[in-house]
Amino acid sequence: SYALTQPPSLSVAPGQTARITCVGNNIGSRSVHWYQQRPGQAPVVVMYYDSDRPSGILERFSGSISGNTATLIISGVEAGDEAAYYCQVWDSSSDHYVFGTGTKVTVL
Amino acid sequence: EVQLLESGGGLVKPGGSLRLSCAASGFTFSGYNMNWVRQAPGKGLEWVSSISSSSNYISYANSVRGRFTTSRHNTWNSLYLQMDSLRVEDTAVYYCVRRFGDYDSGRFDNWGPGTLVTVSS
Repeated sequence: SYALTQPPSLSVAPGQTARITCVGNNIGSRSVHWYQQRPGQAPVVVMYYDSDRPSGILERFSGSISGNTATLIISGVEAGDEAAYYCQVWDSSSDHYVFGTGTKVTVL
Repeated sequence: EVQLLESGGGLVKPGGSLRLSCAASGFTFSGYNMNWVRQAPGKGLEWVSSISSSSNYISYANSVRGRFTTSRHNTWNSLYLQMDSLRVEDTAVYYCVRRFGDYDSGRFDNWGPGTLVTVSS
């Protein structure tokens, strides 16, 4: 079955840039979406179709994709960005929606 | 404003059954594919099931196929998840989720707050 691998954790100092990677076979051929989940809350989509931002999501959030890696980039990290982040695609071979393993971002 | 509100969670013994409901409001429910996504305590997100707008196509994760049944009632703006033969590993918060966009590329754009299902003896 299709798998998406993310680093379990990432620590970033305030004001720095966080780069959260999502590795999957030929992920560049798929539509990748990213979700932010703050503790105790439901997930919220922060990036869709690789690099489009929903209304209300700050320009500090951006996305890129190349080869087997999709990346969510958070510029000028703030305390409020501390959360778990998940990538997600649809896998045609299994007809399943697949989430990445998740990355917990800690703001130092 | 789009609102999704799950109900029906609780404590159930292994082998038991539970039916979750999701009440939708603030959008044309009959026009959207709906999904269930779950999250075990301290774990990541797992897609459970998807149902098309007219209920003519329903898909399930391998982990629940044959035990869970998804349905919807468009007149009542409601989504359901019938869970049978429950296992300890089904313990999770279950989210009702709207998908926006095409089946193969759409995103999960609205989530309910979730309802906790605990399977334990």
